[in-house]
Amino acid sequence: QVQLQESGPGLVKPAGTLSLTCNVSGGSISSSHWNWIRQTPGKALEWIGFIYYGGTTNYNPSLRSRATISIDTSKTQFSLRLTSVTTADTAVYYCARGYPSRNWGQGTLVTVSP
Amino acid sequence: DIQMTQSPSSLSASVGDRVSITCQASQHISFYLSWYQVKPGKAPKVLISDASNLERGVSSRFSGSGSGTDFTLTINNIQPEDIATYFCHQYDNLPWTFGQGTKVEMK
Repeated sequence: QVQLQESGPGLVKPAGTLSLTCNVSGGSISSSHWNWIRQTPGKALEWIGFIYYGGTTNYNPSLRSRATISIDTSKTQFSLRLTSVTTADTAVYYCARGYPSRNWGQGTLVTVSP
Repeated sequence: DIQMTQSPSSLSASVGDRVSITCQASQHISFYLSWYQVKPGKAPKVLISDASNLERGVSSRFSGSGSGTDFTLTINNIQPEDIATYFCHQYDNLPWTFGQGTKVEMK
C-alpha cells in the first residue's frame, strides 16, 4: 500500500515562498501522476497541479505561474514550491497519487502570516 | 474551468437513513467523476471512481450513478462512521475541479 506524508514549514510570511515535500513509501514513484491539492479554511478543495513521473507537469492556471512541482525519484519524493504567497494561500496542503487520486497524505496546515 | 455544483451543502440524517448527494458539471464530463470522503485530520478517501465504480475496500452502502453532467452519491443505511464531508471531483478536463462539499451530520 502506497503511503504519502507531507512535510514542511507550517508558517510562511506574506510575499515569501512556500516549500513542501511529499515522501512516498510502499511503492514506486516511477509511475503515475503525483498531485498537490489544497483545502482552504472555507473548506473548498483546489487542485494545484501534478507531475508525471517522466517529468511532465501541469498546473492550475488560477495560481498564475506561482507553483512549481518537482520530483526526485532517487529519494522517492516530490515537492511543491509556491512563490509570492498571500493570506489566501493559507490552507491544508495534501499530496496525492493517481488520476483520480486514490492515495493521499494526511495533509499539512500552512499558515501565511506576518 | 468546469464548475461542479454540489448539493446540498449540508444534511442531517438518522442512523439507517438513505441519503443522496448530487453533483452537476457545467459541461459534459462523460463518466470522469469520483467521490471522496474527508474527515478532519485524516487522508481523504476515494469512495467511487468513474462515476459508479466502488473502490476496493469501500462499504457497499456507498453507490454512485450518473454520466454526462449529472451525478449522485447515495449512502444506504447511514452509520455514525459516515459523518464526514463529501466531495465530487471531475478529472475529464484540466484544471481538475471539485464540488464545494456536503457536510453530513447525524441527528
